[in-house]
Amino acid sequence: DAGVIQSPRHEVTEMGQEVTLRCKPISGHDYLFWYRQTMMRGLELLIYFNNNVPIDDSGMPEDRFSAKMPNASFSTLKIQPSEPRDSAVYFCASSLVYPTAGTQYFGPGTRLLVL
Amino acid sequence: TQLLEQSPQFLSIQEGENLTVYCNSSSVFSSLQWYRQEPGEGPVLLVTVVTGGEVKKLKRLTFQFGDARKDSSLHITAAQPGDTGLYLCAGGDPTSGTYKYIFGTGTRLKVLA
Repeated sequence: DAGVIQSPRHEVTEMGQEVTLRCKPISGHDYLFWYRQTMMRGLELLIYFNNNVPIDDSGMPEDRFSAKMPNASFSTLKIQPSEPRDSAVYFCASSLVYPTAGTQYFGPGTRLLVL
Repeated sequence: TQLLEQSPQFLSIQEGENLTVYCNSSSVFSSLQWYRQEPGEGPVLLVTVVTGGEVKKLKRLTFQFGDARKDSSLHITAAQPGDTGLYLCAGGDPTSGTYKYIFGTGTRLKVLA
C-alpha cells in the first residue's frame, strides 16, 4: 500500500496568498484527519472527517482555514489569506476505524512557510 | 481543555542505557497512545493502552497506563541509536462529544553510539 500521500511536501508563499494542501488517504480508510505541528503548540488536530463528512472542526483556527473532502480518496486544506503565523508542518492522517482500536496512519507532512 | 505534559522535554543518552519517559495529565483519558516521529516524517503509532494499570511490551519498549488513567510511561531498555526520535503520547478525550486524541508536548530523545 502506498500510505497516505500529501502534496506538496514543501510550500513557500507570501503573506496574503492562498495556500492549498492536498491529501490522498489510504484506500478503504473511512476517517481522515488534518493536524498542524509547531514547536510552540505541538501537534494539534484541526478537523476530521468520517465517510467524507466533517465530524469535528473545532480545532480550525479561524475562518481563513477551510477543509473539504469531495470523495473518499481526496481532501484539501485551504488557507486564504495566509499569514506568517500559519507557518507549520501540516499532516494528514487516515484510519480504518476510530477511535480506541484505530491506528492513525500519518502522511509525510507539508512544510509550509509563509513569508 | 485537557493537557498532556511530557517529561523530560529533551533527553540525550549513550547507547545501552535505560530511560523512562512520562506523560501526565490531571484529566482522565479513555485510552492512551504512544507515537514515535523521526525528522521529516509523520508520527508512527507504537502502542494503544485502554485499561488502567495495563502494561504492554514491544521488544525493548515497555508501556504502562496509570491505574487512574491519568498518566502513562514509556521505558526503553538498552537504548539504541535507532530509538532516536520524538516520542508523543496522545490521550483519548472522553469529554469530547465527537471523541478525539489530544497530543502531548513530546520528548525528544537522542541516543548516541
